[in-house]
Amino acid sequence: NAGVTQTPKFRVLKTGQSMTLLCAQDMNHEYMYWYRQDPGMGLRLIHYSVGEGTTAKGEVPDGYNVSRLKKQNFLLGLESAAPSQTSVYFCASSYSAGSSYNEQFFGPGTRLTVL
Amino acid sequence: RKEVEQDPGPFNVPEGATVAFNCTYSNSASQSFFWYRQDCRKEPKLLMSVYSSGNEDGRFTAQLNRASQYISLLIRDSKLSDSATYLCVVTRALNDYKLSFGAGTTVTVRA
Repeated sequence: NAGVTQTPKFRVLKTGQSMTLLCAQDMNHEYMYWYRQDPGMGLRLIHYSVGEGTTAKGEVPDGYNVSRLKKQNFLLGLESAAPSQTSVYFCASSYSAGSSYNEQFFGPGTRLTVL
Repeated sequence: RKEVEQDPGPFNVPEGATVAFNCTYSNSASQSFFWYRQDCRKEPKLLMSVYSSGNEDGRFTAQLNRASQYISLLIRDSKLSDSATYLCVVTRALNDYKLSFGAGTTVTVRA
């Protein structure tokens, strides 16, 4: 049981390049999330998904796209990377809502640098 | 105003000491509250939920003050392994699965 995994762990891009970050979970969770974490700021939600085939925007969606073709996978794409997208990206998953206790399980993160 | 605000610290304490810190949240409709722990360059992990009546988990005690809109975390008998950044996390509304994170409070326990 690997939990939540992310690939790659590190990546350096040049401005304007594109890339896809892959998140996979083996806990059969319905909900999945992509966050970015920058120094001095809390994790900020980029996009999220409440089930296979569905996605929605979070608080900082500009410059990113996502897809959830399979329940266990959630992909984050950068079409044209910018230096402002240098960050640590975390994927998370959780059971569905409806409980006062809703733990999100995080992947190990992807450290992305855009030059 | 940030939705969740924390004193970034760092709080430097000797082993065995007690350390406590707060976090404030701006949305009075927030319903669920958590403390997550994040070790250096690692992913966040749930430390404990915070219940209205306050709750303990071993050496950790969490309190909620809805009137003043803050939650607190107290660590007793600090261990070296407690060194980490503690993230204050709230949901925006009942049954809201989206979390709002504070920037974290760093605690360093020294021998």
